Amino acid sequence: DIQMTQSPSSLSASVGDRVTITCRASQSISSYLNWYQQKPGKAPKLLIYAASSLQSGVPSRFSGSGSGTDFTLTISSLQPEDFATYYCQQSYSTLVAFGQGTKLEIK
Amino acid sequence: QVQLVQSGAEVKKPGASVKVSCKASGYTFTSYYMHWVRQAPGQGLEWMGIINPSGGSTSYAQKFQGRVTMTRDTSTSTVYMELSSLRSEDTAVYYCARKGRGCPTCGMDVWGQGTTVTVSS
Repeated sequence: DIQMTQSPSSLSASVGDRVTITCRASQSISSYLNWYQQKPGKAPKLLIYAASSLQSGVPSRFSGSGSGTDFTLTISSLQPEDFATYYCQQSYSTLVAFGQGTKLEIK
Repeated sequence: QVQLVQSGAEVKKPGASVKVSCKASGYTFTSYYMHWVRQAPGQGLEWMGIINPSGGSTSYAQKFQGRVTMTRDTSTSTVYMELSSLRSEDTAVYYCARKGRGCPTCGMDVWGQGTTVTVSS
């Protein structure tokens, strides 16, 4: 099975900061990588699909990059509503896998 | 509008089974796969499996093989996830989420509101 590893597990940042979260796959997954945002008590929300495509309605401050085994999610200028937990997910294999999550907290 | 509406919270005893439903509306039910994902308290997202509502074929995570069954009813646009032999570690919020068929790079773009399942003696 393909394993997904995110780093860091948690991150403190301030409003206006540029933030990058990394996701690594245990084998090449081409561009079959999605990113989700989850706020407490809510269902996850799709932000980025196919590694770099912005889901409809998602602000342009969110961007994704990478292919193969290494991927990044970047938030160009943090807004108060961006403090949440972020997950990567591979869809290369039928047996889907999520990363363990990155909790983004206010500094 | 497109939405997935899940059944209500459940409390079960160890060893029992639970069946959670997910009713789809606002789109063509058979055009999207449905995933099931769970989240234990304070933990991350855990993928359980996927069903193709068109033919009913399924794939399950190895961890749940033999304990989970996913089915669908095309007449009511509803998918079901049944988990048997429940134990305390199965206490979690269970989500259904759709993904477009014929779109391997698509993500899970619509999620249900979640169903809390509590396993306690």
